[in-house]
Amino acid sequence: GNSVTQMEGPVTLSEEAFLTINCTYTATGYPSLFWYVQYPGEGLQLLLKATKADDKGSNKGFEATYRKETTSFHLEKGSVQVSDSAVYFCALRPSYNTDKLIFGTGTRLQVFP
Amino acid sequence: DTAVSQTPKYLVTQMGNDKSIKCEQNLGHDTMYWYKQDSKKFLKIMFSYNNKELIINETVPNRFSPKSPDKAHLNLHINSLELGDSAVYFCASSQDDGRGYTFGSGTRLTVV
Repeated sequence: GNSVTQMEGPVTLSEEAFLTINCTYTATGYPSLFWYVQYPGEGLQLLLKATKADDKGSNKGFEATYRKETTSFHLEKGSVQVSDSAVYFCALRPSYNTDKLIFGTGTRLQVFP
Repeated sequence: DTAVSQTPKYLVTQMGNDKSIKCEQNLGHDTMYWYKQDSKKFLKIMFSYNNKELIINETVPNRFSPKSPDKAHLNLHINSLELGDSAVYFCASSQDDGRGYTFGSGTRLTVV
């Protein structure tokens, strides 16, 4: 089946620290992979995506590389800010002929000054 | 503003009541969804409609009934509300081009 596994949070960092949030997936076929961010009290926003192996998605200083060999899509940022504090969701779209997204359980990031 | 908008933002109601949550998107997207987010932030798809037709219906109690009068609207009606229905419900839409979803800001439903 299709599923997404994320590291449990919360992840607590000081400002300007390096961030990694792990995400691995299982899927049949050729999924697309996404990271969404949910700021407090808001809906989810698309942060970045990758549609095929070795693609790198990037946005707002965040990056994630689609690694088919390790079935991973880890989210990284070189220097986090307090404003990055949010819940981050990894998600996969199982194949090209469906728009159904399967989400991971979310990882809360807390950045302190 | 182009967006997915849902109303109400907050809904507090007693067990046994019937309530509706409305969702509208003005993005011209073909597909709309309802997701439920529980207290642990876990997101699970409930329904998906494409051009007013039901595409996905996950194992959701039949007390939940989606209604899509046109492709820009997907409303969620819930009968006989139970305590376990308390959650945040998110509406979303997409264009079937793999770019991902646009989410509404959520409706926090509290059943007391």
